[in-house]
Amino acid sequence: GAVVSQHPSWVICKSGTSVKIECRSLDFQATTMFWYRQFPKQSLMLMATSNEGSKATYEQGVEKDKFLINHASLTLSTLTVTSAHPEDSSFYICSARDVVAGWREYDEQYFGPGTRLTVT
Amino acid sequence: DAKTTQPPSMDCAEGRAANLPCNHSTISGNEYVYWYRQIHSQGPQYIIHGLKNNETNEMASLIITEDRKSSTLILPHATLRDTAVYYCIAGGYALNFGKGTSLLVTP
Repeated sequence: GAVVSQHPSWVICKSGTSVKIECRSLDFQATTMFWYRQFPKQSLMLMATSNEGSKATYEQGVEKDKFLINHASLTLSTLTVTSAHPEDSSFYICSARDVVAGWREYDEQYFGPGTRLTVT
Repeated sequence: DAKTTQPPSMDCAEGRAANLPCNHSTISGNEYVYWYRQIHSQGPQYIIHGLKNNETNEMASLIITEDRKSSTLILPHATLRDTAVYYCIAGGYALNFGKGTSLLVTP
């Protein structure tokens, strides 16, 4: 159980176009999903926290108009990179927090396999 | 979230125990210690978490010092497939990853 999928697993796009990445919790409901970005040989950097039915909360330095996040259901969150540029090329990873975990004191997050974005 | 400090890299012989240390001296009373690992080009994998007591599961053991300022992740019998970057995180709602420890398990 507790599987999170991402689609696509990799994508190549041209500079100036937009790319949508999907994150799905397959066997549980997630009121909260997180989006991370990871550049080569670096750690994961939290980009934003996405709550179902409300606006995402972005970390400092992350442009909310460039990285559009939608969390329309308890099993799906999407990240759209708008007007992508080569510097947006990165590994994008989502994680989902089990709604059952809401009553727990600790956090239990499950990560997707990641999406490799290359902007040419 | 409390800041964590881990050695950048460690080696371990296959079959031996791998002991990965983590310092989290500023951890607050209600913050848990989480361990995740990331194999190259994959999403992080949950390993174990704890608050005060030592914990063990099928993957690893977590030893937390009495003052909670540091912890050690123990992989009892490391295999080549355990080669990965291991992240120690002290916190709660959102997981903030540090630089982690790159563990290399050698034959």
